[in-house]
Amino acid sequence: GDSVTQMEGPVTLSEEAFLTINCTYTATGYPSLFWYVQYPGEGLQLLLKATKADDKGSNKGFEATYRKETTSFHLEKGSVQVSDSAVYFCALSGAGSYQLTFGKGTKLSVIP
Amino acid sequence: EPEVTQTPSHQVTQMGQEVILRCVPISNHLYFYWYRQILGQKVEFLVSFYNNEISEKSEIFDDQFSVERPDGSNFTLKIRSTKLEDSAMYFCASSTVGSWTDTQYFGPGTRLTVL
Repeated sequence: GDSVTQMEGPVTLSEEAFLTINCTYTATGYPSLFWYVQYPGEGLQLLLKATKADDKGSNKGFEATYRKETTSFHLEKGSVQVSDSAVYFCALSGAGSYQLTFGKGTKLSVIP
Repeated sequence: EPEVTQTPSHQVTQMGQEVILRCVPISNHLYFYWYRQILGQKVEFLVSFYNNEISEKSEIFDDQFSVERPDGSNFTLKIRSTKLEDSAMYFCASSTVGSWTDTQYFGPGTRLTVL
């Protein structure tokens, strides 16, 4: 079945550091790929998505590119802020399916 | 901005009791979902619902679980006889259409504790 593997956390960075959170997937066909973010005490919010190969999703300075050849969707941000501290989830939705399959989540802490 | 709401935020129950978790999806959305996250584990899909019918369900969603849209705004998840292993955060989500490219919008979750 479909699966998502993302780097284990927690990740601690200093403000203005570069962020990469790795995400790889296994799926048949051409899934859609998502990054969700969960701030403390809140629900899951869509951060960005890409629905076909080579698409780049971007939002709030975060970017991720759908790489079919490496089955990856790594999340990057050039300069993190304290307000980016949250748990980040990579997810996919397989063609013809209603369900999202999630990775385990990566907790990011940004310190001043 | 419209959002998915869930009540209660925290529910504590005794093993064997029935619980109903409530959700109000975004008003113009047609597809509704329940997910759960056991502490320290992945967010897992339970069920999707469209046009008053279950569209898809996972192996987790056994006969102890049921879903209902009792009126035009609420969407509920019922667990008939709770077990200790049902303790988890339960998330409701909704989307405009049931396409794999569509965005699912999540509520803040209900933390269920079974004693």
